[in-house]
Amino acid sequence: GAGVSQSPSNKVTEKGKDVELRCDPISGHTALYWYRQSLGQGLEFLIYFQGNSAPDKSGLPSDRFSAERTGGSVSTLTIQRTQQEDSAVYLCASSLLGLAGGYEQYFGPGTRLTVT
Amino acid sequence: AQKVTQAQTEISVVEKEDVTLDCVYETRDTTYYLFWYKQPPSGELVFLIRRNSFDEQNEISGRYSWNFQKSTSSFNFTITASQVVDSAVYFCALFTGGGNKLTFGTGTQLKVEL
Repeated sequence: GAGVSQSPSNKVTEKGKDVELRCDPISGHTALYWYRQSLGQGLEFLIYFQGNSAPDKSGLPSDRFSAERTGGSVSTLTIQRTQQEDSAVYLCASSLLGLAGGYEQYFGPGTRLTVT
Repeated sequence: AQKVTQAQTEISVVEKEDVTLDCVYETRDTTYYLFWYKQPPSGELVFLIRRNSFDEQNEISGRYSWNFQKSTSSFNFTITASQVVDSAVYFCALFTGGGNKLTFGTGTQLKVEL
């Protein structure tokens, strides 16, 4: 079946602009995660959605970052007033259920964000 | 707090050599899960294996094998008879009950040359 998809694959934006990154999880997966991968920082957790529960936003680096998940499926990560340090690859992952059950995450190809 | 250490930043081998990627983890939890992921040059993280803390059996899948030792807090990954297609960054990751995220190691870049 189809895997996790993300769009756009690449995004170049000017400092100060807002960007939206989209993630389509695997059908039927209730858990959705966003991570950021950048040089020197490795893979950083950003946010976690599980079903209709309140999201775990503990990894969001600032209030410029927000995310939503509509209808328990598609998710959008929004970065407002982008800064150069936001340049990174943003990865989305989904799993059948949450990590507490040991369910592995399946990752999308990522969106490479470059802030100029 | 949990931590994953992959001390090997980069390994280069010649095709058909065996190679072992080390992973050492830290956690005070007794229940946890360990994972290995592969990130080829295309960038997409590919799930390889999951192991829970109560299952110390080693696992073999084709040319891949994993050695889980709780006594040394290690979960090492061996590729037998490496191939050029194995060239990738490999990440070890840990999940414990204290949050909703995977804690990743910094990754090991494996280069397999002809």
